[in-house]
Amino acid sequence: EVQLVESGGGLVQPGGSIRLSCAASGIPFSSYWMHWVRQTPGKGPVWVARINPDGTYTSYGDSVKGRFTISRDNAKSTLYLLMNSLRAEDTAVYYCSGDMTGYHDCWGQGTLVSVSS
Amino acid sequence: QSALTQPPSASGSPGQSVTISCTGTSSDIGAYHYVSWYQHHPGKAPRLMIYEIFRRPSGVPGRFSGSKSGNTASLTVSGLQAEDEADYYCNSYTDSNTYVFGTGTKVTVL
Repeated sequence: EVQLVESGGGLVQPGGSIRLSCAASGIPFSSYWMHWVRQTPGKGPVWVARINPDGTYTSYGDSVKGRFTISRDNAKSTLYLLMNSLRAEDTAVYYCSGDMTGYHDCWGQGTLVSVSS
Repeated sequence: QSALTQPPSASGSPGQSVTISCTGTSSDIGAYHYVSWYQHHPGKAPRLMIYEIFRRPSGVPGRFSGSKSGNTASLTVSGLQAEDEADYYCNSYTDSNTYVFGTGTKVTVL
């Protein structure tokens, strides 16, 4: 069974940092591109970042470029998102997704990040 | 990158069909075959329903179909069933080497 389980969300102050994790099982993790996608209530998802299978290539959405860093540990089948200089508008549910075909083939259930003082 | 435009809601009775549009630009939907659709029941993980405009992953019922014309993609659900009630989002690759999602459509089965 394919499982992606996000963790690490919580309440953080503006300007602060937080690191999200996504533990994968049931997929050949080291063969998958991986993404982070976020969503606020009542709005559509927003693509955040992606990383290639061996971690040598990353790309980011304009709203997080320079502040967020996506990385992975294939030995642990785990994806990460380090979020710095957080703003209120970064408040969202963050999902990880796996991409074998150029699409978001599998998803986690998300972890909530709230940025507030 | 602006979100792709979808109608906020769509509805139909069981057995009927519903079609959801997804309008983008010549920099995303109009430029690529990389258009996909996702079903999301709140509180659960989203699910890939259509990829590459019209292809269905294994396990997705044949009553889900996709198409594209110009800068607009469409998802049709034929023979609506109660379990189809969910939020649906389109997605496209863009010429900025990024991805953009749609604004979302809530499908209600009457």
